Amino acid sequence: AQKITQTQPGMFVQEKEAVTLDCTYDTSDQSYGLFWYKQPSSGEMIFLIYQGSYDEQNATEGRYSLNFQKARKSANLVISASQLGDSAMYFCAMREGYSSNTGKLIFGQGTTLQVKP
Amino acid sequence: NAGVTQTPKFQVLKTGQSMTLQCAQDMNHEYMSWYRQDPGMGLRLIHYSVGAGITDQGEVPNGYNVSRSTTEDFPLRLLSAAPSQTSVYFCASTRLASGQSSYEQYFGPGTRLTVT
Repeated sequence: AQKITQTQPGMFVQEKEAVTLDCTYDTSDQSYGLFWYKQPSSGEMIFLIYQGSYDEQNATEGRYSLNFQKARKSANLVISASQLGDSAMYFCAMREGYSSNTGKLIFGQGTTLQVKP
Repeated sequence: NAGVTQTPKFQVLKTGQSMTLQCAQDMNHEYMSWYRQDPGMGLRLIHYSVGAGITDQGEVPNGYNVSRSTTEDFPLRLLSAAPSQTSVYFCASTRLASGQSSYEQYFGPGTRLTVT
């Protein structure tokens, strides 16, 4: 069964430093996509970045990059030059399937990141 | 575009009461879903729908009903509220996709439900 594991319940990082949030996944499908969402204290879910299983290059979006290691089944989120506004909960999620008839996401437990000034 | 809207934002129920959480989207998305978020457990899928008239169960469907009569609306019904249903509920929508599709899910603002 598909599963997402985020082993870091909480993380601290100094402002302006980089931080890596871990995510490992389990799936028997060859076609899948991995997503990261940010949830600030206000509660909304904000999409950050996506990586497809067939993508050869790691995804990047501004200060966010995804360190995708397919053989290890890991999809870690790297935030460069942390800002105070990055303090939030971060969720890793996965969608599987070859055919275009799904939208289901499986989420990890989340990691709370606190950025120190 | 209003995106995904949810009402109410907050609700307190007594055990045994019933209620409906409303969800609507104006993006013509085929896929809609309901999640609940509990501390330390991430988001868990309750029910989902791939189009009007089609619904299916997610990971934690017990105690909840859904229907999808239109593309835009996907209400979640609590038939007889229990304290274990105290949670934050999110509705989400997206285009139907394969694993390789980068279509993101759009989330509503959430409903914080307390059952006493």
